[in-house]
Amino acid sequence: DGGITQSPKYLFRKEGQNVTLSCEQNLNHDAMYWYRQDPGQGLRLIYYSQIVNDFQKGDIAEGYSVSREKKESFPLTVTSAQKNPTAFYLCASSIDGTASYEQYFGPGTRLTVT
Amino acid sequence: AQKVTQAQTEISVVEKEDVTLDCVYETRDTTYYLFWYKQPPSGELVFLIRRNSFDEQNEISGRYSWNFQKSTSSFNFTITASQVVDSAVYFCALDGFNKFYFGSGTKLNVKP
Repeated sequence: DGGITQSPKYLFRKEGQNVTLSCEQNLNHDAMYWYRQDPGQGLRLIYYSQIVNDFQKGDIAEGYSVSREKKESFPLTVTSAQKNPTAFYLCASSIDGTASYEQYFGPGTRLTVT
Repeated sequence: AQKVTQAQTEISVVEKEDVTLDCVYETRDTTYYLFWYKQPPSGELVFLIRRNSFDEQNEISGRYSWNFQKSTSSFNFTITASQVVDSAVYFCALDGFNKFYFGSGTKLNVKP
């Protein structure tokens, strides 16, 4: 089945450690996105990528980094510079990032940093 | 500036009641798209509908219906005869050229 895979579903890390969240899609979509969701709040855009080897910062990119070396993969690294990394992270993709197509979401990764 | 407001933080209804979720948006674009997503307790957002700014016809899909009114910048979502499985957080979103702007969501509790 086509879709978006995020792993793991739950992730625990110690403060000061970098951690990488995985996002893979087999929908052949060009565009991919990373969002952060905090309790009781909407989604905030961290980074997005419209094509391979290219990505742009979203509204809250500080403390995060991404890469887009393959069309199907868009990993997100939460660095130790991110001051409040505990959150629910959602990855999404859409057919074409230059047009207003709907985004399809993965199941999310819940990151807890202590 | 692009902005989406969902003023209803949480709504509780009894099964079989109709419920309307409000969405008000702000944009300076003449062409834009609006979306609704459902987020069940599992966490994954499920796409429900996409509507462009030139199409003001109401849309009905089963028990779901959407009322788009440009004059009031609103894109409201109605669930008819609600069911327990409708319990979720619902997000309205506005497309602003490569970026989605999400509202803060409305949590719907449908009690049996």
